[in-house]
Amino acid sequence: DQQVKQNSPSLSVQEGRISILNCDYTNSMFDYFLWYKKYPAEGPTFLISISSIKDKNEDGRFTVFLNKSAKHLSLHIVPSQPGDSAVYFCAASRAYKYIFGTGTRLKVLA
Amino acid sequence: EAGVVQSPRYKIIEKKQPVAFWCNPISGHNTLYWYRQNLGQGPELLIRYENEEAVDDSQLPKDRFSAERLKGVDSTLKIQPAELGDSAVYLCASSLAGVSRETQYFGPGTRLLVL
Repeated sequence: DQQVKQNSPSLSVQEGRISILNCDYTNSMFDYFLWYKKYPAEGPTFLISISSIKDKNEDGRFTVFLNKSAKHLSLHIVPSQPGDSAVYFCAASRAYKYIFGTGTRLKVLA
Repeated sequence: EAGVVQSPRYKIIEKKQPVAFWCNPISGHNTLYWYRQNLGQGPELLIRYENEEAVDDSQLPKDRFSAERLKGVDSTLKIQPAELGDSAVYLCASSLAGVSRETQYFGPGTRLLVL
């Protein structure tokens, strides 16, 4: 039973447009959510996070939205750049236990 | 500041052989994690250390996997004997508990292939 799901394995977006990556979770006890970016042959790199007491967190071009009632979070990248092309993982956490999604491969087309 | 260091980066072994992975976390980070990432999947936690103490090893297959973190710094993850299904990327991560909640910094991983 997968507690954190990223249903879109891949996404292609034109440079300058918005990229929206989605993540669903099943366990309402999760209280912290994170997004990581991963380039080939490298480990995941922390991107942005959000506590369950918030519904939005913004950091430059990256914004994470949390909808607790729908158990859904999304990552918005505006504007998308070719360097954003990578695999993005969402993760949900409670008490230092992290559950990762399967990742979405984002390709930003120049 | 140096990031999380892992070695080796790649390892190819035959099944039933032993293998060990080494991790040096970011200096000062008291929490260390070992994850396994199978192809097309997200990382899955194997074990978490707070200083020298393994505080969560519930997902570690203890019949063949072992880990240690002597002196609360470097850590070693061992598999003995390795099975074909152990082929994966083994990731080490560290964090500083109590400062920035749960931001983990990952190393580049060790890619293991068991033949």
